[in-house]
Amino acid sequence: SQTIHQWPATLVQPVGSPLSLECTVEGTSNPNLYWYRQAAGRGLQLLFYSVGIGQISSEVPQNLSASRPQDRQFILSSKKLLLSDSGFYLCAWGVLRGQLTTDTQYFGPGTRLTVL
Amino acid sequence: LAKTTQPISMDSYEGQEVNITCSHNNIATNDYITWYQQFPSQGPRFIIQGYKTKVTNEVASLFIPADRKSSTLSLPRVSLSDTAVYYCLVGAQGGDKLIFGTGTRLQVFP
Repeated sequence: SQTIHQWPATLVQPVGSPLSLECTVEGTSNPNLYWYRQAAGRGLQLLFYSVGIGQISSEVPQNLSASRPQDRQFILSSKKLLLSDSGFYLCAWGVLRGQLTTDTQYFGPGTRLTVL
Repeated sequence: LAKTTQPISMDSYEGQEVNITCSHNNIATNDYITWYQQFPSQGPRFIIQGYKTKVTNEVASLFIPADRKSSTLSLPRVSLSDTAVYYCLVGAQGGDKLIFGTGTRLQVFP
């Protein structure tokens, strides 16, 4: 069965510090990978998605970046955190099913980031 | 990308059937309709997915009319543990990303 891991679970960082969140998937190959952010009481905002190693698409211009160094590893980074980067960060994976688009996504446990 | 519209919140009582309707007027021919459930401090969880007519699983039913411009998630006999946010999504062309709206916050009372 497939599993998705995220760490750390919680993180408190000062403004201006760097960030690295990691996501790994087990039990599947060549998944589509996604990073979302959810502000308190809000819906999910898609930040990045990747359809393969080294292929990153950004949805929102910001001070965050993403990388996919391995097939089942997705990393979210920042060189200098802002207060507005606080939120709940979720990694997800999905696989296309045939020709009809039905990319069901499976989410990790999330990382709660607080920037002070 | 098809946009979805759903009620911001709904209230219900234990044991009742809850129907949450989602509008997606610009749905494309190849798009599927998917519903997710999210509890606080957890990632969304897949509930059900359909293309047309009716789909039923052990958790819910999904009703999709012939024009596919809307869909209704039906939760039979809800319990307190069904209190969550429910998202309606329409699969993007190419299947490379999904757009989550703000969802419907369902509150179940005893």
